[in-house]
Parts: sequence; C-alpha cells; structure tokens
Amino acid sequence: DAKTTQPTSMDCAEGRAANLPCNHSTISGNEYVYWYRQIHSQGPQYIIHGLKNNETNEMASLIITEDRKSSTLILPHATLRDTAVYYCIVRALSGNTPLVFGKGTRLSVIA
Amino acid sequence: GAVVSQHPSRVICKSGTSVKIECRSLDFQATTMFWYRQFPKKSLMLMATSNEGSKATYEQGVEKDKFLINHASLTLSTLTVTSAHPEDSSFYICSARDTAKGWAAKNIQYFGAGTRLSVL
Repeated sequence: DAKTTQPTSMDCAEGRAANLPCNHSTISGNEYVYWYRQIHSQGPQYIIHGLKNNETNEMASLIITEDRKSSTLILPHATLRDTAVYYCIVRALSGNTPLVFGKGTRLSVIA
Repeated sequence: GAVVSQHPSRVICKSGTSVKIECRSLDFQATTMFWYRQFPKKSLMLMATSNEGSKATYEQGVEKDKFLINHASLTLSTLTVTSAHPEDSSFYICSARDTAKGWAAKNIQYFGAGTRLSVL
C-alpha cells in the first residue's frame, strides 16, 4: 500500500466544516483512497472511499485531486461527536490484505 | 454497514492467566479476519491474519504461541492471550471483510468495538 501523510492534529469549531487533508503522492493507478476514524476507546469506523471522482455519503465528502496525489475529507458541519483520529489509507479494491494504519490526524471539535 | 461483534469489551486478569477474546461477524461471512493491538496514544498495529480452517499468519515480532488464534467458522475468530503478563495490557481490536461479496464488498474492513485487557 502507498504511504500517506496527514497533519498530526487539527481543531475545528462546532458547526463549521472540517477539512482534513491527506497526501498520497505515490498512489498507484489501481489504489483507492479510504478514510476511517477512531473515536476514543472504540474500534475504527469506515467513513468513505474513492478512486478519482469526488464522493459523498451521509457522513462526509471526499475530494480527490485530478492527479490523485492528495485528497481532502470534508465533514460539512462538525459536531463534538466528530472528535476522533482520522486515518487516510490507500489500497487496492481487490485482494485481501489488511488495512495498515499510519498515525492519522487527531481532530478536535471545539464548542 | 456490516457489524462485527467483539467480546468481552473489557477484561482484567491476573498475571499468568489466559484470556480469550471473541470476534464475530454478525451479518456476513468472513473467511479472513484481522487482529490488531493498540497501545495508548499509538496507532493500530496488525498482529495477525486469521484464516478460516487454516493457520493464522502472524506479523513479525508477534509470538504465535502466546497469541493463539482460532478461526473455526466463517463468522467466528478467537484470540487467546496465553500466560498474560502486564506488558500484554493493551487494546485489542478485530476486523473483518465480507468475503462472500467479492468486489461488491469494496474491500471495506469493519471493526469490532475492541477489548481492553488489563493484566495485573
């Protein structure tokens, strides 16, 4: 799996959009960008994934640059419950290899 | 999304005892499950890959005789920490992917809630 780089931590005001960046400059053509988050003392939770088109679901939006070397996860209206560590991981859609976690970004949503 | 159930959520045991952690995929089949360990303020570290009906594959540095893994059915994997010591105290998390769906599963891994093990 390609390596990703994320900021160590970010703050966001409650109700505002949280934009979490991720660099993955060595991503391969068959690799997708996956985002997970881990709320304190819980197991990771799947958020969203994408290949090259922007994606949106009930939790978040994923914006992938045209060259696919970076992406941004957007939480449109952050709440206190969104405080968590967010992990950006790139991997192929097929295969059965496990997720490999980096250090992620610790997002603190502040009231 | 699919549900992975992990039990117990917390266990406290004496040094030298063995502890079994169960991981179940509730609404899907998983021929492969993954076990992770997480120390405070650290990221998840993969310990082993559990394969239904065959031996588990352990990551480098993980003692297979200490962390026994059994994957006897398509929905259940167990991790037994044998002769636990205080340094084994950690947060253990299992994960699974819906292997029956193939491509439709989109390679999404689902995670249990984790088991916090404290060895006294």
